[in-house]
Amino acid sequence: QVQLVQSGAEVKKPGASVKVSCKASGYTFTSYGISWVRQAPGQGLEWMGWISAYNGNTNYAQKLQGRVTMTTDTSTSTAYMELRSLRSDDTAVYYCARTATMISDYWGQGTLVTVSS
Amino acid sequence: EIVMTQSPATLSVSPGERATLSCRASQSVSSNLAWYQQKPGQAPRLLIYGASTRATGIPARFSGSGSGTEFTLTISSLQSEDFAVYYCQQYNTWTFGQGTKVEIK
Repeated sequence: QVQLVQSGAEVKKPGASVKVSCKASGYTFTSYGISWVRQAPGQGLEWMGWISAYNGNTNYAQKLQGRVTMTTDTSTSTAYMELRSLRSDDTAVYYCARTATMISDYWGQGTLVTVSS
Repeated sequence: EIVMTQSPATLSVSPGERATLSCRASQSVSSNLAWYQQKPGQAPRLLIYGASTRATGIPARFSGSGSGTEFTLTISSLQSEDFAVYYCQQYNTWTFGQGTKVEIK
C-alpha cells in the first residue's frame, strides 16, 4: 500500500532553516511527483510547490521563491523540503503528497513546524 | 493568480440530508478541479478530480460537477463520518479555496 511517512515535529527560532523529509513506499517513486502543502493553525491549505521525482524539476509558489528548496533522493525514495529564513508566520503543519498529472492522491501524516523565539 | 472562492463558509446539515458545496474560480480552470475532505488532526483526503471523477474508494454519495469557473460538490445523504471541512483546488496553477465546514445541524 502507498505510504508517505514524514519526519517529526520541529521547533525553530526565527531566521533558522528547517528540512522536512517524506519517505515514500508502496509505489515506484520516480513515476510520480511530490507536492508540498502547508496549513497554518486554524487556517486553510496553501500549496508550496512540486518536484518531479523522475528528473528533479521543480515548480515553487511565487511567495516562497528564494526561501524554499525541494529535493529528492531516489536511492531512498525520500523527498525533502527545506525552508529558510523562518518567520513566525511559517508556523504550520507541512504535508507532502504523491502527485501525478497534478493530482495529489496520497498524503503524508503532516509535520508540525513551530517558529518561536 | 487564480482565486478560488468557496461557499458557504459553514453548512449545517442533518444526517441523511443532502449537502451542496460550491466553488468558483476567478478565471477558467477547465475541468482541472479537485475536492478534498479534511477531518481535525488528519491530512486531506482526495475525493474528486477532473471536476467529476471519484477517487479510488470514495463512496458514490459523493459527486462533483461543473467546468470552467463554477463547480459543485454534492453529498447525497450525509453520514456521520462526512462532517468535515471540504476544500476545492484548481490544479492549473495549484490554488485552494478557503474551505467549507460541514457541521451537524
